[in-house]
Amino acid sequence: QKEVEQNSGPLSVPEGAIASLNCTYSDRGSQSFFWYRQYSGKSPELIMFIYSNGDKEDGRFTAQLNKASQYVSLLIRDSQPSDSATYLCAVNRKGGSQGNLIFGKGTKLSVKP
Amino acid sequence: AAGVIQSPRHLIKEKRETATLKCYPIPRHDTVYWYQQGPGQDPQFLISFYEKMQSDKGSIPDRFSAQQFSDYHSELNMSSLELGDSALYFCASSFGQGPQHFGDGTRLSIL
Repeated sequence: QKEVEQNSGPLSVPEGAIASLNCTYSDRGSQSFFWYRQYSGKSPELIMFIYSNGDKEDGRFTAQLNKASQYVSLLIRDSQPSDSATYLCAVNRKGGSQGNLIFGKGTKLSVKP
Repeated sequence: AAGVIQSPRHLIKEKRETATLKCYPIPRHDTVYWYQQGPGQDPQFLISFYEKMQSDKGSIPDRFSAQQFSDYHSELNMSSLELGDSALYFCASSFGQGPQHFGDGTRLSIL
């Protein structure tokens, strides 16, 4: 079992809808959680990071963390075609960014005009 | 804002050759990370440096070595290259408890 699990998709949503991306992790000691967006052949781009249980909002993006359920999600409101990409969930066992990121295999999101 | 700079962007080598990848972190960032991403795969952690000392080691082959210099730039040295080393190599940097920011990567192709 991979340490960080994501549904590979593709997840297809119409333009303007809410896209919901989910991620589970196996190491209960994980402390920090990240969402990266990656366009094909490009580098991962940081979208959100969250360290505490609950919700964290930034513009159209909301990250949700539930450590008891070992679950982290990313909501994208008012989805745009430019949001079409692979979204990588990453987990760090150590606090903040001290330590390597363990990535899920990513969820491919397709936003249809 | 300045980002992580990697060079070269593309590199073509033959089997058994050596390669050196360079990474210049975001100014004032104190930690550098190297990741390898094969086709259709997620990034795999190789090695990291904090304040010029190796801080973590992942799935880095013995044929690879890396170091961080006094100006905080880092180099990944790869020897006896194999076909399976063909991948995107990303460098990321961070400061303190801040998140990791990735460079544009080096695409290494082994013929």
